[in-house]
Amino acid sequence: RKEVEQDPGPFNVPEGATVAFNCTYSNSASQSFFWYRQDCRKEPKLLMSVYSSGNEDGRFTAQLNRASQYISLLIRDSKLSDSATYLCVVNILYSSASKIIFGSGTRLSIRP
Amino acid sequence: DTAVSQTPKYLVTQMGNDKSIKCEQNLGHDTMYWYKQDSKKFLKIMFSYNNKELIINETVPNRFSPKSPDKAHLNLHINSLELGDSAVYFCASSEDRTSGSSYNEQFFGPGTRLTVL
Repeated sequence: RKEVEQDPGPFNVPEGATVAFNCTYSNSASQSFFWYRQDCRKEPKLLMSVYSSGNEDGRFTAQLNRASQYISLLIRDSKLSDSATYLCVVNILYSSASKIIFGSGTRLSIRP
Repeated sequence: DTAVSQTPKYLVTQMGNDKSIKCEQNLGHDTMYWYKQDSKKFLKIMFSYNNKELIINETVPNRFSPKSPDKAHLNLHINSLELGDSAVYFCASSEDRTSGSSYNEQFFGPGTRLTVL
């Protein structure tokens, strides 16, 4: 089983729709969670961190479920500019170091 | 001003050659990284350097070697290139990554697309 798994998509939704992705992780020692966004042929950029209590940033809401070991990203009122690949990132903290693992990404395409 | 820069942007070379990719960050960050993103878009960490000390080496072949002349630079040297090395290589940096600390946001360079023929 992969340490971090995401549905690769693509998710193809109309502008204005609400879309949600999940990301599951296998290591219960995972401590920090993030969503990155990567546009086609560009570098990944941090979209938002994911906090235990859930957090919102404008149209984006991130949630963490430690019991079921998954994080989610919800995008409301989607815009054409939201089309990108969304990468789930998990940071596992060990006693002497941490390990950063990127998911393979979920591709989102917003159509007019 | 580019925060994390990489050169070259594209690199096409023959199998068996030795090549280098340069990375520089002007953010004053303590830790730098190299990632490989293959054709399936899977982004995998290769190395991270903190204060000239290698922290992670994710079972990368020893043909790959990071070299850090100073805190602002982490270059990637690849010897005896193979077809399977074709990928996009991203450099990244973050503020700090000391033992026990939480993850700091990573800033990525624009990537170097390596094609081995």
